[in-house]
Amino acid sequence: DVKVTQSSRYLVKRTGEKVFLECVQDMDHENMFWYRQDPGLGLRLIYFSYDVKMKEKGDIPEGYSVSREKKERFSLILESASTNQTSMYLCASSLTGARGYGYTFGSGTRLTVV
Amino acid sequence: AQSVTQLDSHVSVSEGTPVLLRCNYSSSYSPSLFWYVQHPNKGLQLLLKYTSAATLVKGINGFEAEFKKSETSFHLTKPSAHMSDAAEYFCVVTPTGTASKLTFGTGTRLQVTL
Repeated sequence: DVKVTQSSRYLVKRTGEKVFLECVQDMDHENMFWYRQDPGLGLRLIYFSYDVKMKEKGDIPEGYSVSREKKERFSLILESASTNQTSMYLCASSLTGARGYGYTFGSGTRLTVV
Repeated sequence: AQSVTQLDSHVSVSEGTPVLLRCNYSSSYSPSLFWYVQHPNKGLQLLLKYTSAATLVKGINGFEAEFKKSETSFHLTKPSAHMSDAAEYFCVVTPTGTASKLTFGTGTRLQVTL
């Protein structure tokens, strides 16, 4: 089974801190995604990457950046954390052409910014 | 552009009674549609998918959904609810034939009572 591993299950950070959320997948998937999940809003796409060093903005990229130096790893960076970035963050990966059913999600990182 | 609307944020049923979770979609392209389930403190799991083959789609755990183009709907049903079905359910759309991002609905929380 494909595994998508997010490095932390819970994180508490202070306002203004630089925060790194890490995601690693073990099945050589080309595509990787970062979503944010909030009650009543569902999942919203922050950034995605379809290849190493390639990235594209999703629907809510403001306040975030990403890094993909290796195929298996996709990092989400909060340059200066703010309280409105308190949320559940989900990473996913897929093969090119998977059309949705090949997406595998990690278990999520619940980030609290105080 | 693509979007999905989940018509109910919360549905409550008694164990053993039918389940109906409603989803309407909008897509400029021929869509692929999915239902994902998220149990408490767990990652997202694919329940079923429609990718332009049979319009009645069967998924795991006795769930099924019917793609109705004329009504732009993709409602999720199950004949008899089980306590273990209590979870949050997401309707998801993506254009067929691409590896592009998934667009999520806002979710429906299913409660199952004795």
